[in-house]
Amino acid sequence: GNSVTQMEGPVTLSEEAFLTINCTYTATGYPSLFWYVQYPGEGLQLLLKATKADDKGSNKGFEATYRKETTSFHLEKGSVQVSDSAVYFCALFLSGGYNKLIFGAGTRLAVHP
Amino acid sequence: NAGVTQTPKFQVLKTGQSMTLQCAQDMNHNSMYWYRQDPGMGLRLIYYSASEGTTDKGEVPNGYNVSRLNKREFSLRLESAAPSQTSVYFCASSDRGASSYNEQFFGPGTRLTVL
Repeated sequence: GNSVTQMEGPVTLSEEAFLTINCTYTATGYPSLFWYVQYPGEGLQLLLKATKADDKGSNKGFEATYRKETTSFHLEKGSVQVSDSAVYFCALFLSGGYNKLIFGAGTRLAVHP
Repeated sequence: NAGVTQTPKFQVLKTGQSMTLQCAQDMNHNSMYWYRQDPGMGLRLIYYSASEGTTDKGEVPNGYNVSRLNKREFSLRLESAAPSQTSVYFCASSDRGASSYNEQFFGPGTRLTVL
């Protein structure tokens, strides 16, 4: 079936460190891929997306590249800030279904000064 | 613009009690969704409503009912709560429900504990 696997957290980093959160997927078709972020006490917000192979999504200094050959969509940021502390969810959407997202388990990121 | 709002934020129930989770959106979206979030499992779709007057089951509908009261409001009801329904519940909405992706906007969640 279709699924998303993320690295387990929590990930703890110092401010200005480099961030990678791994995400791999299993899908029967050609999914669109997303990263959502959940800040403390808030709902999920779309962070970035990529709709086809080799696309790079970017927003707020975060990037992720859709790698079809490795079925991956790893999230990266060159220099994290305390304000990036949140839970990050990788998700996929397959066309043909009704606008239904399949989420990974989420990875909690804690950034310390 | 409040976006998607949910009430209550927290709730504790005893096994067998019933309750309704409320959700409203002010973005004039056609489609609305209810998810549950459990540790290590991400978000799973319970029910969704493509448009006012329609509802459909998602991945984990057992033990729940929904009502799309009007275009703005989509409620989730637990008729007889069970400990397995302890979770965080998120409501979401999107512009329209076609086969192509439309960004979903999420509420802040309701944390439910069933004892």
